[in-house]
Amino acid sequence: KNQVEQSPQSLIILEGKNCTLQCNYTVSPFSNLRWYKQDTGRGPVSLTIMTFSENTKSNGRYTATLDADTKQSSLHITASQLSDSASYICVVIFSGGYNKLIFGAGTRLAVHP
Amino acid sequence: KAGVTQTPRYLIKTRGQQVTLSCSPISGHRSVSWYQQTPGQGLQFLFEYFSETQRNKGNFPGRFSGRQFSNSRSEMNVSTLELGDSALYLCASSLEGVSNQPQHFGDGTRLSIL
Repeated sequence: KNQVEQSPQSLIILEGKNCTLQCNYTVSPFSNLRWYKQDTGRGPVSLTIMTFSENTKSNGRYTATLDADTKQSSLHITASQLSDSASYICVVIFSGGYNKLIFGAGTRLAVHP
Repeated sequence: KAGVTQTPRYLIKTRGQQVTLSCSPISGHRSVSWYQQTPGQGLQFLFEYFSETQRNKGNFPGRFSGRQFSNSRSEMNVSTLELGDSALYLCASSLEGVSNQPQHFGDGTRLSIL
C-alpha cells in the first residue's frame, strides 16, 4: 500500500535552535517528493521539490534530503524563527500509470521564544 | 500576480443539501486540482482538471464532482452532503499539472455540515 508517514507528530523547539523532521514512504513508483509548509488557516506553501535522483535541495533556512534507496526524506530547519511555527507536510507523487499525490499527516512545529 | 482565489471562505450547509465551491487559478495556469483536509484524514487528493478535462482522480465517491471552464476557473460540487464532508477544501493551480511542478494553493473553503 502506498503510504507516507511523518515523524514526529508534533515538536516544540526554542527560537534559534535547529530541528529535523522525518518522512518515510512506501510509494512506488514515484516521480518526486515535496515538502510543504502550512500556516494555521492558510493553504500549504511549497518549500522544496526533489526528484528521485536528487539527494538534497535547499530553500533559505530549509534543507530537504532524500534517500531513494531507504525511502526516507528529512527536512532540516536552521536557526528557527517564530514564523516557522506551522505544519510541515511531506507529499510523494505516485507515478504508476497516473499521477496521484499521497500526503503525510504532517508534523506540527511550535517555535517558542 | 494574484494568487489562487477560493470562494466562499466559509460555508454552512445541512445534511442532504448540495454545495458548489469555486476556484480561480493563477493567471496562465491550466491545471487545477482539489483537495480535502480533515483533522482525522489529513490532506487527500480529490481530482485534477487540465484544459477542461479531468485528468486524475482520487478515491472519493461520485458525490464529489468538478468541472473546469475555458478560462481555467474550476468548480467543485458535492451532492447529498453528509456530516463527514465537513472539511477544509483546498484548490491548487500549476502551469501544466501535478506531476512535476509546484502546486500553488488557495486558502481554502471551510465547509461545515450541520
